[in-house]
Amino acid sequence: AQSVSQHNHHVILSEAASLELGCNYSYGGTVNLFWYVQYPGQHLQLLLKYFSGDPLVKGIKGFEAEFIKSKFSFNLRKPSVQWSDTAEYFCAVNGGNQGGKLIFGQGTELSVKP
Amino acid sequence: ETGVTQTPRHLVMGMTNKKSLKCEQHLGHNAMYWYKQSAKKPLELMFVYSLEERVENNSVPSRFSPECPNSSHLFLHLHTLQPEDSALYLCASSQGYSSYNEQFFGPGTRLTVL
Repeated sequence: AQSVSQHNHHVILSEAASLELGCNYSYGGTVNLFWYVQYPGQHLQLLLKYFSGDPLVKGIKGFEAEFIKSKFSFNLRKPSVQWSDTAEYFCAVNGGNQGGKLIFGQGTELSVKP
Repeated sequence: ETGVTQTPRHLVMGMTNKKSLKCEQHLGHNAMYWYKQSAKKPLELMFVYSLEERVENNSVPSRFSPECPNSSHLFLHLHTLQPEDSALYLCASSQGYSSYNEQFFGPGTRLTVL
C-alpha cells in the first residue's frame, strides 16, 4: 500500500534560519507530489506540486521542493523562514493512475520564533 | 476563503444521535471529497464523488453515510458514532477527479462524540 512519511513532527526555528522538511513515499510507479500548508486557524492550501519535468519545483512564498526519484523523496525547503511561516505542512502523494486519490503524511508542525 | 464552506464548524453529539455535516463549493468543480483528520495521524480519505457518482469508499464504517445531491453540495450523515470518531472532518473539491487537479479544502467541522 502507498504511504507517506514525514520524519519531523515538530520543527522549531528562529527567523532567517533555513528550513528543510523531509518527505518520503512508498510507491513504485509514476507519482504526482504535493505539499500543502495549514496556517493557524486557516484551511489547507496548496504550496507547490510536482508532476513531471524539472525535479526542482518552486511554490508560493519562496518555498521549493526537490523530487529525488532514487530516494523516493520530495523534501520541502526555504532558505530563510519568517515568523509568518509558522504552520503545519503536509506532504501528499498521488499514484498517477489513481484519479484524485491523495495519500497524506502525518504533517510537520513548524514554529518560527521572531 | 477557498470557495469551499462547511457547516457546522463545531459539533458535539452523543453516540445515539443522528447529525449531518454539510459542504458546499462555489468553484464550479465536479469532484468532492470527505477526509478525516485525527490528531497526530495523516489525513484519511473517506469518500470521493465525481460527477455526483461515488468513486471511492475507503472502507469507511456504515455509520458514516455520504450524499451528493448535486455537484455543489456534499453531505456526511452520521449515526451511532463512537468516541474514536471524534476528529476534524474536511471537505475538498477539485475541477475533475484526476491526479493533476488541485484540491481545494474547506475549514473543516470539528466533531466531538461523547
